[in-house]
Amino acid sequence: GAVVSQHPSWVICKSGTSVKIECRSLDFQATTMFWYRQFPKQSLMLMATSNEGSKATYEQGVEKDKFLINHASLTLSTLTVTSAHPEDSSFYICSAIIWTGPNTDTQYFGPGTRLTVL
Amino acid sequence: QKEVEQDPGPLSVPEGAIVSLNCTYSNSAFQYFMWYRQYSRKGPELLMYTYSSGNKEDGRFTAQVDKSSKYISLFIRDSQPSDSATYLCAMSGNQFYFGTGTSLTVIP
Repeated sequence: GAVVSQHPSWVICKSGTSVKIECRSLDFQATTMFWYRQFPKQSLMLMATSNEGSKATYEQGVEKDKFLINHASLTLSTLTVTSAHPEDSSFYICSAIIWTGPNTDTQYFGPGTRLTVL
Repeated sequence: QKEVEQDPGPLSVPEGAIVSLNCTYSNSAFQYFMWYRQYSRKGPELLMYTYSSGNKEDGRFTAQVDKSSKYISLFIRDSQPSDSATYLCAMSGNQFYFGTGTSLTVIP
C-alpha cells in the first residue's frame, strides 16, 4: 500500500534554532498533505493543509511565520519550525491524501517526528 | 464546552466482542466525520470517513453519524487482539477537530 515517510524521526535542538522536517509520499503523488502536531496525552491537532505549488492553509491559532511549510513537489512537503522554543516540543505528523471523491478519499499518515527543544 | 468529546477509556473487551466507540460534538457546521486508529508510536491511520449523516460499513467496521443528536459512533464486530489501539474521532467543517482518543484493548 501507499507509504508516507518522515525525516528525521527524532530531533533534539537548542532553543532559538530552526528545524526542518520532511514528509515524502514514497509511491504516489500527493497534491495535498496535512501537518499535525500532538502533545503528550492530547489529541492530534491539524496545523495546516499543504497543497503542491501553492501556499499552505493554516488552521486558526497556528503561526504561519513560525511554522513554514513548503510543498515544492507532488511527493515532498517540508515543515520548518523557526526559532524553536521548548514549548514547540511535540510530535509532528504529516499525512498525504488521495482524493477520489467527497466520500472516497484515502489518507496515509507518516510515522511522525518527535521534536525536543532544549 | 469542547468542540468534540470522546471518552478516553480505557476500554477492555474479550476477543470476538462487539465494540462501540462514540463521540459527541457541539458544532452543527461539521460535515465530514472520521475515525482514526493509532497504534503506539505510530501515526494515526484513517479507518472510516463519512460525509454528513448516515451509516458506512467497511468489513468489520461500521461508522454511524447522527447529526440531529450530534453523535457519531464506530462499531467493531468480531473484535481481534490486533484491534487493540487508540481510536480517534475527528470531524471538520471549516476546521479539523479531533477527539482525545479511546484506548481499546482486546483480550485474547
